[in-house]
Parts: sequence; structure tokens; C-alpha cells
Amino acid sequence: QSVLTQPPSASGTPGQSVTISCSGSSSNIGSGTVNWYQLLPGTAPKLLIYGDNQRPSGVSDRFSGSKSGTSASLAISGLQSEDEAVYYCAAWDVNLKGVFGGGTELTVL
Amino acid sequence: QVQLQQSGPGLVKPSQTLSLTCAISGDSVSSNSGAWNWIRQSPSRGLEWLGRTYYRSKWYFDYGISVKSRISINPDTSKNQFSLQLNSVTPEDTAVYYCAGGTHASGLLRWGQGALVTVSS
Repeated sequence: QSVLTQPPSASGTPGQSVTISCSGSSSNIGSGTVNWYQLLPGTAPKLLIYGDNQRPSGVSDRFSGSKSGTSASLAISGLQSEDEAVYYCAAWDVNLKGVFGGGTELTVL
Repeated sequence: QVQLQQSGPGLVKPSQTLSLTCAISGDSVSSNSGAWNWIRQSPSRGLEWLGRTYYRSKWYFDYGISVKSRISINPDTSKNQFSLQLNSVTPEDTAVYYCAGGTHASGLLRWGQGALVTVSS
């Protein structure tokens, strides 16, 4: 089991919005920031969100992040077929160091 | 533009040592603001952070709990690169291994191309 809990799957139709959750504890999300990564088949992970809600240069503003307490969320608006990927949340745990969620596979129907 | 280039064998026998290297261009392994990480990805375990090294007047090392007894990450300032050594490997260590640059606060922005390492006799 992963330290951070994500739903294994999510889906939506083109143009819709979808939200992916990430649940942790006071040792990780509750005491630091959350990052989100996108993993497309055959490519290296891509940083989508850092510092809970900051987008690196070049990342579409259709991606947004939020955090409350020991949970975080990634929201994707205006869903596109190219968004079909696996999404991972990441945090720093005071005991375990770097931790990832189990990943959420997003399907665009 | 920071680029990371990975190298190393794709096949390792059980009980032996997995060794990978990540060459850095566009930044320095001994940068006072950077950190250099190893992460792996497998279908069964997803993404797993293995460890990192960084320099802040001296070298620091952090390792993931699951591999802490078997892992070593070493910077090489003469070649501007860092390496991963994972001892006593088993088939469960079969994965795509990535090097990545960045701290958790800034996110892992730069990644190597990834290397599939298979543990098999």
C-alpha cells in the first residue's frame, strides 16, 4: 500500500472536468506541500503542479491543484484525449522521506 | 536547459548489484540549490522514490525506507554526475529507473530518459 491514497481510476468525456484526490496524514501532506506528476506510456514523468498549486512554465492552466489539511486534489478542466495518463501525487514525509501515491489512471471516454 | 542522461546495464542477475549513472548538463551536481534523485516505476508498485543527494556546504543523502539497507547514491563532481547502486537485487527490483533533478519544494522538473532494468538469471 502507498503512503498516499489515490483512487485507482477516474474517467470523463472530452470537455468535462475531473478531479483526482490524494489523501495522506499529518506526517506528509499535513506538514508540507504536494506535487503532481503525469505519466504517459513510454515517457518520463512530467511535473504538473508543485507547492500545492503552482504550475511550472509550459503546463496548461487546465491543470490546477489544491490542498486542505491532509488531503490534496488535482483538477483537470476541458478534458482532452491527450490527458489520458496516470497521475501521481507526491509529498515529503517527515519519517519516510519522499512518498508517492499509488497513481490514478485517467480514461477519456 | 538542464538535461540528464542515464547509462547502465539493462540486465542484472539476482543477488548482484544494480548500478546506474546519471550525467548532468546545464547544472552542477554540487549546486547549492539543487538535489539529485533516483525514482523507479513498475506496474505493480507505481512510482517509488528511492533516494537523493544534495550539497549544502557538505553532502547530504536521503534514502527511501524500502531500500535504505541496500542503496547508495554517490555524486561525482569530476564528471558532474551521480550514480545509484542497489545491492542484493531480486526480481522485485525489476523496474524502469529514472534520475531526476529538483527538490520536493520545487518539484522534480528535469528527468532522465529512463532505463528498464530487469533482474533475472
